[in-house]
Amino acid sequence: GAVVSQHPSRVICKSGTSVKIECRSLDFQATTMFWYRQFPKQSLMLMATSNEGSKATYEQGVEKDKFLINHASLTLSTLTVTSAHPEDSSFYICSASGPPGRFNSPLHFGNGTRLTVT
Amino acid sequence: AQKITQTQPGMFVQEKEAVTLDCTYDTSDPSYGLFWYKQPSSGEMIFLIYQGSYDQQNATEGRYSLNFQKARKSANLVISASQLGDSAMYFCAMRELTGNQFYFGTGTSLTVIP
Repeated sequence: GAVVSQHPSRVICKSGTSVKIECRSLDFQATTMFWYRQFPKQSLMLMATSNEGSKATYEQGVEKDKFLINHASLTLSTLTVTSAHPEDSSFYICSASGPPGRFNSPLHFGNGTRLTVT
Repeated sequence: AQKITQTQPGMFVQEKEAVTLDCTYDTSDPSYGLFWYKQPSSGEMIFLIYQGSYDQQNATEGRYSLNFQKARKSANLVISASQLGDSAMYFCAMRELTGNQFYFGTGTSLTVIP
């Protein structure tokens, strides 16, 4: 099956610093990448959708300036949490998909990044 | 309205027994796909099974099968011969032909009891 690599898997940072999370599709061209945030024992909350070569589309309530998303190529998308604060501590997970219109194509997920801001 | 509804926050099943996890969906798009994912405590999302809206037969993948009732808009996951390693969160999801988003349910936490 398709492989999506996400790293780091865990990161601990100090309040006020920025953290970059990378998401790579290893064996297919990811036209679209989704970034999710997940709180303990809850479902995935879509943060933003990024399409290769264009600006990300953020969900309502997600701060664009805090969560910077770059999707510069068909195999790489990055999420940068800028000036992180303890309330940004969470599990972040990326996923990749092929082109729209293929409703039979599953999302392929990275293994997630557990961010802890002290 | 919720696109995907999972009404069972938590389920318990005895090892080696079968268990059904419920999922109902809401869409007006005639073309859509339904997916089930497993999320163990380690956090990764594992794709289990897929059912297409035009598929005539219920999908099966090993011990996983999908009880697809299109008229009722339900896509329940059946796990047969439960194993301890099946203990995890299970998410039902849908993707429509129109649009590019996946819709996830709130998940069901399954615990397999030895």
